[in-house]
Amino acid sequence: EAGVAQSPRYKIIEKRQSVAFWCNPISGHATLYWYQQILGQGPKLLIQFQNNGVVDDSQLPKDRFSAERLKGVDSTLKIQPAKLEDSAVYLCASSLDGTEDTQYFGPGTRLTVL
Amino acid sequence: KQEVTQIPAALSVPEGENLVLNCSFTDSAIYNLQWFRQDPGKGLTSLLLIQSSQREQTSGRLNASLDKSSGRSTLYIAASQPGDSATYLCAVVQGGKLIFGQGTELSVKP
Repeated sequence: EAGVAQSPRYKIIEKRQSVAFWCNPISGHATLYWYQQILGQGPKLLIQFQNNGVVDDSQLPKDRFSAERLKGVDSTLKIQPAKLEDSAVYLCASSLDGTEDTQYFGPGTRLTVL
Repeated sequence: KQEVTQIPAALSVPEGENLVLNCSFTDSAIYNLQWFRQDPGKGLTSLLLIQSSQREQTSGRLNASLDKSSGRSTLYIAASQPGDSATYLCAVVQGGKLIFGQGTELSVKP
């Protein structure tokens, strides 16, 4: 069974530029999560999708971050414009139905904002 | 608001030692607690999951305990090996969400 796929693996941009990350969850998983992990900290949930609907985006900085999951499968997370403090690893995870079940994590995208 | 804390932030031990990693949480109303391993440049790998009704779980050289009343969990690693070097994260599941501690970076020296 293929795991959660993410791309790109690494990205370096200048502040005020835009960037987008892509995630393909495990086939059949209804729930998809995006986490932000700043160096030395644990992952923090940014947004949770159930199929193509948003369940929780309370910690997503909506003035600069946006995410979509149009067909209930792949998802894209965008930052526009990026700030220095956005430098982090962005992790995508998926689970079967989101009701307390196991989350499976992708390898992450490491973003550096200069 | 649930807060998860892990102590120590970093730990270095010689190969062969038994060691304990600590995790504490402020709200005991959790669904379960999980321990993850994170290698540099990699995602998170689930090691052990303890349901809120359980006291411990074991997998090979790993044993995790849970004491909900005191808000504590420990991860015991027996006979540590250099391949165990990684960051270990604990997370509680509450309201359908994973809430993570900041991790303990473990280094096992040959």
